[in-house]
Amino acid sequence: NAGVTQTPKFQVLKTGQSMTLQCAQDMNHEYMSWYRQDPGMGLRLIHYSVGAGITDQGEVPNGYNVSRSTTEDFPLRLLSAAPSQTSVYFCASSYRGLNYEQYFGPGTRLTVT
Amino acid sequence: GQQLNQSPQSMFIQEGEDVSMNCTSSSIFNTWLWYKQEPGEGPVLLIALYKAGELTSNGRLTAQFGITRKDSFLNISASIPSDVGIYFCAGQPRSGGSNYKLTFGKGTLLTVNP
Repeated sequence: NAGVTQTPKFQVLKTGQSMTLQCAQDMNHEYMSWYRQDPGMGLRLIHYSVGAGITDQGEVPNGYNVSRSTTEDFPLRLLSAAPSQTSVYFCASSYRGLNYEQYFGPGTRLTVT
Repeated sequence: GQQLNQSPQSMFIQEGEDVSMNCTSSSIFNTWLWYKQEPGEGPVLLIALYKAGELTSNGRLTAQFGITRKDSFLNISASIPSDVGIYFCAGQPRSGGSNYKLTFGKGTLLTVNP
């Protein structure tokens, strides 16, 4: 199994541009989530999904959209990038029965200029 | 929202030394998890704790779920250079609503001097 994969690894955007961060998992996990990691802030939850077609907001959802059309994929969309969205983004997934044991992808480092 | 206080923020130790770090909260948690993150990588789960008082080991790592349910400890024995990284605690609060949301501490940066 590849586990949780994320693309791209690095991305530079200009203010106002849009893009989609990709996340996929091949473990048939029901639960998937997106976090951002900033220096000194730990990991903060952006959006999460408990299954295909079901998503909800986390702690810092503003400026981000998600959808979950399949169990495997959970893309994160930035509609109009802002410098405040410069961060490292992690996708994570887990089984419903072991909700708390989340497995993380390698991350996407995003810079917005 | 829920907050976890993780300490120390950073540690610089000599190879072979033992390490202790902890997380505390003002609220009760149902679950405590400990993750390690190496540079350029995502966090990797080390230990999961589900019961108050539970003591669990994973090699040289030992973690405990505090009796009060408001804290957890991680110990690393006989540290080696590859222990370098950021260690995060995470927890699922009892009153957190959704069972899927974890709260993360801000991490302990561990540096091991060979």
